[in-house]
Parts: sequence; C-alpha cells; structure tokens
Amino acid sequence: NAGVMQNPRHLVRRRGQEARLRCSPMKGHSHVYWYRQLPEEGLKFMVYLQKENIIDESGMPKERFSAEFPKEGPSILRIQQVVRGDSAAYFCASSPLVSQPQHFGDGTRLSIL
Amino acid sequence: DQQVKQNSPSLSVQEGRISILNCDYTNSMFDYFLWYKKYPAEGPTFLISISSIKDKNEDGRFTVFLNKSAKHLSLHIVPSQPGDSAVYFCAASARDRDDKIIFGKGTRLHILP
Repeated sequence: NAGVMQNPRHLVRRRGQEARLRCSPMKGHSHVYWYRQLPEEGLKFMVYLQKENIIDESGMPKERFSAEFPKEGPSILRIQQVVRGDSAAYFCASSPLVSQPQHFGDGTRLSIL
Repeated sequence: DQQVKQNSPSLSVQEGRISILNCDYTNSMFDYFLWYKKYPAEGPTFLISISSIKDKNEDGRFTVFLNKSAKHLSLHIVPSQPGDSAVYFCAASARDRDDKIIFGKGTRLHILP
C-alpha cells in the first residue's frame, strides 16, 4: 500500500527555467493538496484539487504557478520562469475526503541557481 | 491572518519527562483538530486528532486536550523519548463545512538525554 509519491526528491533549476513537480496520491484518494515550506517556516497551503478540478487555489501566486490533477496520471505543480525566491520544499498530500487527515509525501526540494 | 498559531518555535524537554506543545486558533468554525509530526527531509506524518465534541483523545503516549472556550489545544507526550525530537504541526478545519485543513507554523521539540 504505497504512500503519497513525489518526484523528483530534489530538483535544481536555473533562473528562468520551468520546474515540474509530480505527485501520485495514495490509492483511493481523490483529493490532492500542495504546500510550500520555506526555511524556518511552516507549511503554507497553495492549492487543493480533486480529479480534473481545482477546488481552492487561494494560496497560489497569481503568476507563473499552475497545478493540475488529470483524470489519468499524477498531479503536477508547474512553476514557469523560476526565480531564486521559489527555492523551497514543496509537499503534496492526499486524502479520501477533504475532511479526513491528509497523508503527505516526502516532498520535492527545489533549488534555483 | 494566522488562524492556527503555535507561539513557541521550539521546546526542549528532558527524556522521560512530559512534553506539552500548545496551539491556539481563532476561527470558531473549526471543529476538527490534528497534530502532525515531521522529521527533517521527510513529509509530515499524521499523529492524532480530536473532534470538537470531545475534550480529550488519547493514543498511547500521546494525548490531545481541547479547550473550546479558550480556543486552545495541547499535545502531551509522556514519557518523552529521543525519537520524539521533531517538528510538530497543529492543524484545524471546519469539517462540517467540508473546508480544508489549516496548519500552524510548527514547534520544534528537542528531547534532551
């Protein structure tokens, strides 16, 4: 019973490039959440998706960031034209229902050179 | 606008003693509360939860207490063990409104030998 899988674990990009972070939720979980953690800070909610739909993107920066959760395949968090300030750990979580505890992946650490 | 507050960034406790981690919330609609534990380079792991209809929930060495009138909850770990050294996140949601979970900034717990 695999947990939430995120890849890659570490991603290095140069300023201006695109970063794609993938998340495969736990089996049977249709709700996916993305969080960002900056050094010495807590988990900041970014976006909540259910299959093919964005339910809540109130934590997403207005530009350069997008997320999808297609019918088939993993959820993708995409950051276009990355800047130094995008360096952070990005965590994905999933749950069977929005009101139930979320299960987290081990995160993707994004470093911008 | 922080709806879930963990005012102690860190806490040190002697091994074998009781660790008490505190959390305050501002949203009176919250009716479900959770604690997560996080080790470095790993994702948060769900630890214990409590519904607002209860004031205490116990699971082994971990007990969560809820004081609704004070909008305060606490996590007690007794006896504290070296493996308990981690960051602990308090989280809350308005479950009956099917709302997403909001996380605090975390408290780093150090268990001293």
